[in-house]
Amino acid sequence: GNSVTQMEGPVTLSEEAFLTINCTYTATGYPSLFWYVQYPGEGLQLLLKATKADDKGSNKGFEATYRKETTSFHLEKGSVQVSDSAVYFCALSPRLRGGSEKLVFGKGTKLTVNP
Amino acid sequence: EPEVTQTPSHQVTQMGQEVILRCVPISNHLYFYWYRQILGQKVEFLVSFYNNEISEKSEIFDDQFSVERPDGSNFTLKIRSTKLEDSAMYFCASRVASGRYNEQFFGPGTRLTVL
Repeated sequence: GNSVTQMEGPVTLSEEAFLTINCTYTATGYPSLFWYVQYPGEGLQLLLKATKADDKGSNKGFEATYRKETTSFHLEKGSVQVSDSAVYFCALSPRLRGGSEKLVFGKGTKLTVNP
Repeated sequence: EPEVTQTPSHQVTQMGQEVILRCVPISNHLYFYWYRQILGQKVEFLVSFYNNEISEKSEIFDDQFSVERPDGSNFTLKIRSTKLEDSAMYFCASRVASGRYNEQFFGPGTRLTVL
C-alpha cells in the first residue's frame, strides 16, 4: 500500500539554524511527492512538490529532492526564520490510472523557531 | 486570492446526532475532497468527488458518511449518527483539474468534537 513516514516532532531551532525534516515513503508505481505547511489557524498550503525521480522542489528557501533509490523526500532549509514556525506535512499522490489523485499524508512535524 | 472556506470552524455535538460540515471550494475547481485528522494522528483521505459523484472513497467513509454538492458553490460532508471516534479536524480541498501538476487547495478545517 501507500504510506508516508516523517520525522516525529516537535522540532525547536534557533533562528538561522539549518533545518532537515526527514520523510520516507512506500508506494506502488511512481507517486508525486509534496510538502504542505500549516500555519497556526490556517489550512494546509502547498510548499513544494516533485513529480519524478531526481526532481528538486523548492520554494521560500525550502528544498526537497525526490530520491527513488532511498524512497525519500527530505525537507531542508539552510537558515530558518521565526516566521517558518508551523506544522510541516509530507505527502504523496499515487498516480494510478482512474484514481482520484488523493493525497496520503505523514503525521506532520511541528517546527518552532526561536529568535 | 481565491480560497477554500469551511464552516463552522468548531462544531460540538452529542453522540448519535447528525452533523453537516460545509465547504465552499474555489469557484472554477472541479475536483473536491474531504480529509480528516484525529488529534495526534495522520491526515487521512475520506472521499473525492467529481462530476456530481464520488470518484473514490476510503474504508473510513462508511454508510454513516455522505457528501453532496447541493448547489454550484457548496460541498458538504454529512455524518448521520456521530460517534466519539469521529472527533477530528475535517479538511476540505479542491483542485481545478486532473493531472499531477494540479495542486489541491485546502480550507482551514472544521474541528468536530463529539461528546
